[in-house]
Amino acid sequence: DAGVIQSPRHEVTEMGQEVTLRCKPISGHNSLFWYRQTMMRGLELLIYFNNNVPIDDSGMPEDRFSAKMPNASFSTLKIQPSEPRDSAVYFCASQGYTEAFFGQGTRLTVV
Amino acid sequence: AQTVTQSQPEMSVQEAETVTLSCTYDTSESDYYLFWYKQPPSRQMILVIRQEAYKQQNATENRFSVNFQKAAKSFSLKISDSQLGDAAMYFCICYNQGGKLIFGQGTELSVKP
Repeated sequence: DAGVIQSPRHEVTEMGQEVTLRCKPISGHNSLFWYRQTMMRGLELLIYFNNNVPIDDSGMPEDRFSAKMPNASFSTLKIQPSEPRDSAVYFCASQGYTEAFFGQGTRLTVV
Repeated sequence: AQTVTQSQPEMSVQEAETVTLSCTYDTSESDYYLFWYKQPPSRQMILVIRQEAYKQQNATENRFSVNFQKAAKSFSLKISDSQLGDAAMYFCICYNQGGKLIFGQGTELSVKP
């Protein structure tokens, strides 16, 4: 298995533009998590899914953020419109029975 | 609510010495897992060691071992014979099936040659 795959690895966009981050979890894992990491706030849980169903989205900062998991092998995190304060590294993680596997993250820069 | 607390934002150790990173947690679940992950400058999250809450025996993985005190809800990580490659941010995580991965704030470990 190639592990958790996130794309793109880097994204630079202008303020106001729509940004879509993608994640392919490990096959067979039932839980998927989206995190955001910044120097100021550390790691923040944005949303997590269990069996493709959003369980807790209380960490999503604003209505500008939305996440979907249309099937067990794919999830997206969308920011529309993007703002400079959204600049961060966004991680996706999928949870197996005894270990969480993390993607390499997407570094988002909004200018 | 589940919480994980790492009270040491930064730690430093001399190469070849031993260092202990602290972690306390709070959960109402009876069945849960505890992890230590490291995040080097490459930002990749790497599993260091795992402990199942129902196991009394402390987990060990080569130079890494934990001191799991279930009643005290404490889960410290001991790194023996520290190496330069151990320098990283270390996260303590609590997880229960179907629930959230709850992160501590992280401890930045530096290793001095």
